[in-house]
Amino acid sequence: EPEVTQTPSHQVTQMGQEVILRCVPISNHLYFYWYRQILGQKVEFLVSFYNNEISEKSEIFDDQFSVERPDGSNFTLKIRSTKLEDSAMYFCASSEGGQYYEQYFGPGTRLTVT
Amino acid sequence: KQEVTQIPAALSVPEGENLVLNCSFTDSAIYNLQWFRQDPGKGLTSLLLIQSSQREQTSGRLNASLDKSSGRSTLYIAASQPGDSATYLCAVPSGAGSYQLTFGKGTKLSVIP
Repeated sequence: EPEVTQTPSHQVTQMGQEVILRCVPISNHLYFYWYRQILGQKVEFLVSFYNNEISEKSEIFDDQFSVERPDGSNFTLKIRSTKLEDSAMYFCASSEGGQYYEQYFGPGTRLTVT
Repeated sequence: KQEVTQIPAALSVPEGENLVLNCSFTDSAIYNLQWFRQDPGKGLTSLLLIQSSQREQTSGRLNASLDKSSGRSTLYIAASQPGDSATYLCAVPSGAGSYQLTFGKGTKLSVIP
């Protein structure tokens, strides 16, 4: 069964460094998302992406964050200058269509900022 | 702003028991509702998507119901097994026309052999 994959599974970085989290969505899906979950807290939406542009973003997704679909298969989240509070599990998701469709999540990347 | 509440926060049941998990949401202008399972330190596995036009959706031992007007959904698990132990999350779109999902904090289920 097709699934969303994410790399790396765990990333440790120092405060102020740039990180890129990578995702390969399900191949025929058109909508892509990033969410994050700080330990012990709710899953929070960051951004949605369709037709090579951001369709929606949350207050969390400030200028330090960016997303890109550099080729036909990858979807990336870049954090320009990491802060301690960026430590979280980051989930990529994809869906075949928009609001009516099921979102499928990847296994997550655990980001630890020291 | 959409808010999702799940009750109870934790539940412990003996194997074989039937159980109900509850989810409530504040903005009923939703297209659908999704139930997920999350194992410790792992990703989210989609269990059921129930459209706003449906009242129920079934998958194996799982049955989800949706009462959009009252802002409630339930997830019924029949004949629980130790392998059902996980956190169950409910998520709804944040508002009309929104792609983003708003999640509840989840119900942590433990099924005791």
